[in-house]
Amino acid sequence: AQRVTQPEKLLSVFKGAPVELKCNYSYSGSPELFWYVQYSRQRLQLLLRHISRESIKGFTADLNKGETSFHLKKPFAQEEDSAMYYCALSGRAGGGADGLTFGKGTHLIIQP
Amino acid sequence: GAVVSQHPSWVICKSGTSVKIECRSLDFQATTMFWYRQFPKQSLMLMATSNEGSKATYEQGVEKDKFLINHASLTLSTLTVTSAHPEDSSFYICSAVYQNEQFFGPGTRLTVL
Repeated sequence: AQRVTQPEKLLSVFKGAPVELKCNYSYSGSPELFWYVQYSRQRLQLLLRHISRESIKGFTADLNKGETSFHLKKPFAQEEDSAMYYCALSGRAGGGADGLTFGKGTHLIIQP
Repeated sequence: GAVVSQHPSWVICKSGTSVKIECRSLDFQATTMFWYRQFPKQSLMLMATSNEGSKATYEQGVEKDKFLINHASLTLSTLTVTSAHPEDSSFYICSAVYQNEQFFGPGTRLTVL
């Protein structure tokens, strides 16, 4: 069975500090990994996906198959980064159009 | 672009009644839509995959007779919770696929009394 684990329910950092939101997964094949973000009173939206290898809003995430991790990082946190972040997995390549398995989410709070 | 709406945004119903939730893709056509359920302080759980013109595919443990899904057009999928009970109270979220990406609706809060 596929599973996504986000060990931190809440992460609070000061503005300008580095941020790392952890995500570990279990899946027997080659999954596609995503990070979704939900700002206050807004809907879930895609932040980035590992196959794109791009940086969005200063965030990056590298898929580490050896450690089965897909941690989200940003070198300098900004107050507008405060939101709920969900790591998600699709069980097949090009899986943006596939049903997703989500982690429980991490609430990121950036303190001024 | 790629906006998904849900209606209603919240609904309260009595135990034993049925409730229909709509998911619409406003500015694109979606062959595939998904329905998720989210309990308080928990993650989104995939309930079913809704494909236009064919039967929905349900995840293990989801009762298809309880949660009826109809995807009759390329812009509308509906989820009907039949004979709702208090344990069906939850936040239901749909998504629609556009260009290999899922776009999510704002969710529907269902409370069954």
